[in-house]
Amino acid sequence: QKEVEQNSGPLSVPEGAIASLNCTYSDRGSQSFFWYRQYSGKSPELIMSIYSNGDKEDGRFTAQLNKASQYVSLLIRDSQPSDSATYLCAVNGPGRRALTFGSGTRLQVQP
Amino acid sequence: EAGVAQSPRYKIIEKRQSVAFWCNPISGHATLYWYQQILGQGPKLLIQFQNNGVVDDSQLPKDRFSAERLKGVDSTLKIQPAKLEDSAVYLCASSLGSSSGNTIYFGEGSWLTVV
Repeated sequence: QKEVEQNSGPLSVPEGAIASLNCTYSDRGSQSFFWYRQYSGKSPELIMSIYSNGDKEDGRFTAQLNKASQYVSLLIRDSQPSDSATYLCAVNGPGRRALTFGSGTRLQVQP
Repeated sequence: EAGVAQSPRYKIIEKRQSVAFWCNPISGHATLYWYQQILGQGPKLLIQFQNNGVVDDSQLPKDRFSAERLKGVDSTLKIQPAKLEDSAVYLCASSLGSSSGNTIYFGEGSWLTVV
């Protein structure tokens, strides 16, 4: 079982729709959860972090965390073609462990 | 504020040759990471430094990969001898500290092609 699992996609949504990206993780001790966006040929950039159960909103982005189900998701409202990228879920646990990344979900927003 | 600097950006080498990548983290960041990202996959941690000490190198192929951060600032990752499967982007990243809530910032990456 992979430590962090994501559907590779591509997930295709029309412009203006809500894109829903999902991630599951295996380590119940995980404490911090991150979503990174990676454009083709570029390095990952942080878009959201979440540490406690529930929802966290930042502009058009909402991160949702359910530790009991070991599940974290990212919602992108009013999707734009510029949101087309690979979205990486990353998780780390207690102590000084570095981030463990999923393989990413490729999002395509159709104009 | 300057970001994480990496060089070279691109390198093509033949198998069995050696290559070195350099990284300078964001000023003041104590923790430095080297990740390997193969096309179509997520980044995989190779090594994590806290100042000039190694925190985690459990996934570093030590028979061919080495890394150092001698003065606790910049770092070098070396591959010798390179294999075809080492073709990847080598991402350097840094964070203020190593606790789980610290944000990790990535450099632009060093793209390696082994032919």
